Formats: sequence, structure tokens, C-alpha cells
Amino acid sequence: KAGVTQTPRYLIKTRGQQVTLSCSPISGHRSVSWYQQTPGQGLQFLFEYFSETQRNKGNFPGRFSGRQFSNSRSEMNVSTLELGDSALYLCASREEGQTSDTQYFGPGTRLTVL
Amino acid sequence: AQSVTQLGSHVSVSEGALVLLRCNYSSSVPPYLFWYVQYPNQGLQLLLKYTSAATLVKGINDFEAEFKKSETSFHLTKPSAHMSDAAEYFCAVSPSGTYKYIFGTGTRLKVLA
Repeated sequence: KAGVTQTPRYLIKTRGQQVTLSCSPISGHRSVSWYQQTPGQGLQFLFEYFSETQRNKGNFPGRFSGRQFSNSRSEMNVSTLELGDSALYLCASREEGQTSDTQYFGPGTRLTVL
Repeated sequence: AQSVTQLGSHVSVSEGALVLLRCNYSSSVPPYLFWYVQYPNQGLQLLLKYTSAATLVKGINDFEAEFKKSETSFHLTKPSAHMSDAAEYFCAVSPSGTYKYIFGTGTRLKVLA
């Protein structure tokens, strides 16, 4: 099976713009989670979607939003970008969304905000 | 709130030496525990996971970890380090009843020739 894919891999934006990142999970996986990775804060959970419903959310401002489509693909949107949003955004999928299930991570999208 | 502590943000070992990366978690109920590795400019790759089936867990590339409830630890070991093991390693916990991972701050492993 193909792994988790994320597009684009690299992105450069300026402050105030918005951005949409895309994630395609492993075929058959219904749960998609998003994480932000920065040198200062490490890996932080953004949100998780299962069967098109947001099931869990981390402590991020409302500028960060997401959605999941019927084919389990997910998008993450960040509006009104700030310099601090520069990070590696990782998407992970798992089969049934059980807490014991392994999450499989994509290569990430590196977002740079100028 | 549950947390994960990785002692040592940087660890250096000689090639062929034992690798020991430490991870402690805080939880009143044993959670599910994972070790991931991240190579530069890549995502996270699962090394192994603990889901209560066995306390000694074997993973890929000769890594293993032992779950010790009394010490709330899940340290990662490898008998003999290889140059290709140089990477950043993350311990993660999946608390019961949630659908997210809580990650440690990571340990960057350097392997010396």
C-alpha cells in the first residue's frame, strides 16, 4: 500500500495570507490526525478526524481548521498567517481510529511564513 | 494531564556501542506507548509500540523497549549502534480514551565512528 502523502512538501507564504495543506491517508484508513512540529514547541497535536467528523482538538487558535472528505482525504487550513506558524506540519493516518492503533505519518509540509 | 519526558536531548554513542534512550510517562493508567524515529526532512517512522500484550517489545532494526509500570518507563535500547541510526527519536503516549499522541521533546542520537 502507498503511504501517507502530503502536498505540497514546501510552502512559502507571507504574514496575513492563508494556506491549505492536503493529506491523503493510507488506503482504507479512516482516521487522520494533524500535528505541528517546531524546534521550540516540539510535536503538538492539532486535531483528528474520523469519518468526516472532528473527534479531538488540540490547543490551537481558531485560525487553524481542518476537514475530512468522504474518501478520508483531509485538508488543514491556516488563516491570517503569523511568523510563528512556520513549522513542519505532519499528517498521520490510522485504520480504525482506536487509541491502540498505530499512526502512520506522512513526510510533512514545511511551511515558512515571511 | 499526561506527559512524556525524554531525558537527554542529545545522546552520543560510538558505533557498535549500546544505545539507551530514556522515556518516562505520567499516567495513572498504563497508556499505549510508541517510539518513532525521524530522519532529517522526513516524517516519523514507527520503531515499536506497547499495547499491554508483552512488557518487552521488539521493533525494527534491532530496537527494543521494555515497559516498566513500577518505574513508569519505556526506555529504548539497541545492542549495537550503527551509523545509520543517527536520527531524532520520539517517545509518544496515547492516553486511554483519546485519539491523539502526546510526544516527548525528542532525543537526537549521534553515532561516532
